[in-house]
Amino acid sequence: AQSVTQPDIHITVSEGASLELRCNYSYGATPYLFWYVQSPGQGLQLLLKYFSGDTLVQGIKGFEAEFKRSQSSFNLRKPSVHWSDAAEYFCAVGLYSGGGADGLTFGKGTHLIIQP
Amino acid sequence: EPEVTQTPSHQVTQMGQEVILRCVPISNHLYFYWYRQILGQKVEFLVSFYNNEISEKSEIFDDQFSVERPDGSNFTLKIRSTKLEDSAMYFCASRDRGGLNEQFFGPGTRLTVL
Repeated sequence: AQSVTQPDIHITVSEGASLELRCNYSYGATPYLFWYVQSPGQGLQLLLKYFSGDTLVQGIKGFEAEFKRSQSSFNLRKPSVHWSDAAEYFCAVGLYSGGGADGLTFGKGTHLIIQP
Repeated sequence: EPEVTQTPSHQVTQMGQEVILRCVPISNHLYFYWYRQILGQKVEFLVSFYNNEISEKSEIFDDQFSVERPDGSNFTLKIRSTKLEDSAMYFCASRDRGGLNEQFFGPGTRLTVL
């Protein structure tokens, strides 16, 4: 079964500093990879996704992520964080089986705290 | 921009009661999902639904749960006899045929079982 590991439960970053959130997945093939953000009391918003092709993907709000097959990782980065980035970040994997629907497997999330 | 909506935003019920959580997926989407998130824990997949039948379900989705698309717009999750451990945030999601599993999530319904 596929699994997703986000090793950092909490991360504190100063406003304006760079950010990297780690995500590792376990699966025999390359799954489809996603990063979602959840602000307090809100639903899940898709930041970016990777299906194939260029291993560096750009998302919304200035985020990017790099897929590294050799490390089974899909880390999320942002060069300069803003106070509004404080939220819970979830990495997720999914499978596409032609025509069928697949549920996503989520990591436990990383809580991002921004220091002024 | 089209979005997934869910009602109610918060539901409080007594243990043993039936609840129905409602979702209106994005109108041209064909695949529908329910997830739950127990407070402080990760989001967990419950069930997926396509072409008026369940495509996939997790171990969590036992006989107490059912889903239905009663009309062309709504997608519901029913819990027949709620337990304390059903207390969670329930998220509905949908995607279109060509979405390659890019699922759009609703804001969630917080279910509290007393």
